[in-house]
Amino acid sequence: EAGVAQSPRYKIIEKRQSVAFWCNPISGHATLYWYQQILGQGPKLLIQFQNNGVVDDSQLPKDRFSAERLKGVDSTLKIQPAKLEDSAVYLCASSLQGLSGYTFGSGTRLTVV
Amino acid sequence: AQTVTQSQPEMSVQEAETVTLSCTYDTSENNYYLFWYKQPPSRQMILVIRQEAYKQQNATENRFSVNFQKAAKSFSLKISDSQLGDTAMYFCAFILNTGNQFYFGTGTSLTVIP
Repeated sequence: EAGVAQSPRYKIIEKRQSVAFWCNPISGHATLYWYQQILGQGPKLLIQFQNNGVVDDSQLPKDRFSAERLKGVDSTLKIQPAKLEDSAVYLCASSLQGLSGYTFGSGTRLTVV
Repeated sequence: AQTVTQSQPEMSVQEAETVTLSCTYDTSENNYYLFWYKQPPSRQMILVIRQEAYKQQNATENRFSVNFQKAAKSFSLKISDSQLGDTAMYFCAFILNTGNQFYFGTGTSLTVIP
């Protein structure tokens, strides 16, 4: 079974630029999550999708972050404009339902300079 | 508020020895699951072991076992016969039965010394 695919693996941008990350969950997984992991911290949930609908985006900084999962499969997380404090690893995870099959991807490491 | 505390930022252990990683957590809820995740340099979060809070018996998975003390809200991980491949960041986490997100600690960096 293929895992959760994320790209790019690394990204370096200047502050105030825009960036987008892509996630393809495990086939059949209805729930998709984006986490932000700042260096020296554990991951923190940014947004959760159930199929193509948002379940929880209470911790997403909506002034600069956006995410979509238009067809209920893959998802894109965007930052516009980026700030230095957005430097982090962005992890995508998916699950069949609840905790069933909860799997993390390898993340995208973003560096904002 | 839900919090997880890992008080050991770094630990090391000799190969084949045993090491225990500490974790305490705080929640006012009664039903939840506890986890230990391993994050190697590849960055993928790999599930090590899982414990249901309603179970008194400590979970065991091959060389990995936990000491779960619900009243003390403590959830330590014991790694026996440490191997070089165990070198990684280890995160303690929990998720509420009614919730949707993991609450992670800040991690413990474990180095297994040959």
